[in-house]
Amino acid sequence: GIQVEQSPPDLILQEGANSTLRCNFSDSVNNLQWFHQNPWGQLINLFYIPSGTKQNGRLSATTVATERYSLLYISSSQTTDSGVYFCAGGDNYGQNFVFGPGTRLSVLP
Amino acid sequence: DAGVIQSPRHEVTEMGQEVTLRCKPISGHNSLFWYRQTMMRGLELLIYFNNNVPIDDSGMPEDRFSAKMPNASFSTLKIQPSEPRDSAVYFCASWPPPGGGTGELFFGEGSRLTVL
Repeated sequence: GIQVEQSPPDLILQEGANSTLRCNFSDSVNNLQWFHQNPWGQLINLFYIPSGTKQNGRLSATTVATERYSLLYISSSQTTDSGVYFCAGGDNYGQNFVFGPGTRLSVLP
Repeated sequence: DAGVIQSPRHEVTEMGQEVTLRCKPISGHNSLFWYRQTMMRGLELLIYFNNNVPIDDSGMPEDRFSAKMPNASFSTLKIQPSEPRDSAVYFCASWPPPGGGTGELFFGEGSRLTVL
């Protein structure tokens, strides 16, 4: 079955710092996505990134599909970046999305 | 578009009662997913539909759980009878067909269920 792992499990940053979150996934994973779950529980899609690099403001993501990993970069972190970051991948049909365990980020003022 | 709409947002019920959670996917999305989130188990995929047909229900915990999608704009997740261990946040998500959008999976705001 699909396997999705994330590291680190927890991360504490001072406001303004940069960070890199990692997602490793099994051979059968496609359609890699990154999500942010805010302190109110909402799951917000950050990136759909099956391969390559995308940027959106202070956030960017890179997926190297041939090596089965994806990275999420957060630059100049703000307290509003706090929450849990999940990556998720679908199966060979692009569905059956399985989530990793998440990285809990706390940005301190 | 209003996004994925779930109801109710909060439900408190007593053990043994029937619970029905509802979801309206984004218009034009042809895949719909039900997830359960708990502290212990994280985000678990319960079932997903493609073109209103259940494709994989292997994540449904037991026969007390059932899900239907009678049309492209509506799905239900039913628990009967409910038990305290069913307490969790239940999310619905929808996904566009290939070429029909950006490929992003979108979530509703969730239904928080508490079974006493």
